[in-house]
Amino acid sequence: KAGVTQTPRYLIKTRGQQVTLSCSPISGHRSVSWYQQTPGQGLQFLFEYFSETQRNKGNFPGRFSGRQFSNSRSEMNVSTLELGDSALYLCASSPEQNARSNEQFFGPGTRLTVL
Amino acid sequence: AQKVTQAQTEISVVEKEDVTLDCVYETRDTTYYLFWYKQPPSGELVFLIRRNSFDEQNEISGRYSWNFQKSTSSFNFTITASQVVDSAVYFCALSEARRDTGRRALTFGSGTRLQVQP
Repeated sequence: KAGVTQTPRYLIKTRGQQVTLSCSPISGHRSVSWYQQTPGQGLQFLFEYFSETQRNKGNFPGRFSGRQFSNSRSEMNVSTLELGDSALYLCASSPEQNARSNEQFFGPGTRLTVL
Repeated sequence: AQKVTQAQTEISVVEKEDVTLDCVYETRDTTYYLFWYKQPPSGELVFLIRRNSFDEQNEISGRYSWNFQKSTSSFNFTITASQVVDSAVYFCALSEARRDTGRRALTFGSGTRLQVQP
């Protein structure tokens, strides 16, 4: 099976712009989670989608949003970019039969740089 | 609230040495899962192991072994006879097992950077 894929891998934006990142989960996985990784804050949970619905949300401002499509692919959007949004954004997918154990499989990430 | 502490920021060893990465966690739940992930320079988090809170058996997988001690809330990871390819950042993570409000987020430690010198 192909792993989790994320596009683009690298992105450079300027303050005030908005950005959309894409994630395709492993085939058959319906749960997709997003995490932000920065040197200062480490790995932090953004949100989780299942069957096109947001099931869980981390402590991030409303500028961060996401959605999931019927094929389980997910996008996250960050509006009005700030310098502090520069980070590696990781997407993870999970098989529902392992929901209790919460085993998550991560993609390679999108590295966003905000200038 | 959950918390995972990896006190070792960076460890440097010479190839073939054994190395142990420490992980201490806090949770009020009686049922939870612990994980170790490896993050090579490419950035992808590679799943290494999952352990549930009811299973305190130690596990060995090749050169890797894990020691889970509920009494001390620790889940340590040992690499035996380290190799240069083991160089990466290693993360310990914790997740509650409840499903009532959807999948729980993973709470990660701050990571330990392991450098294995040839």
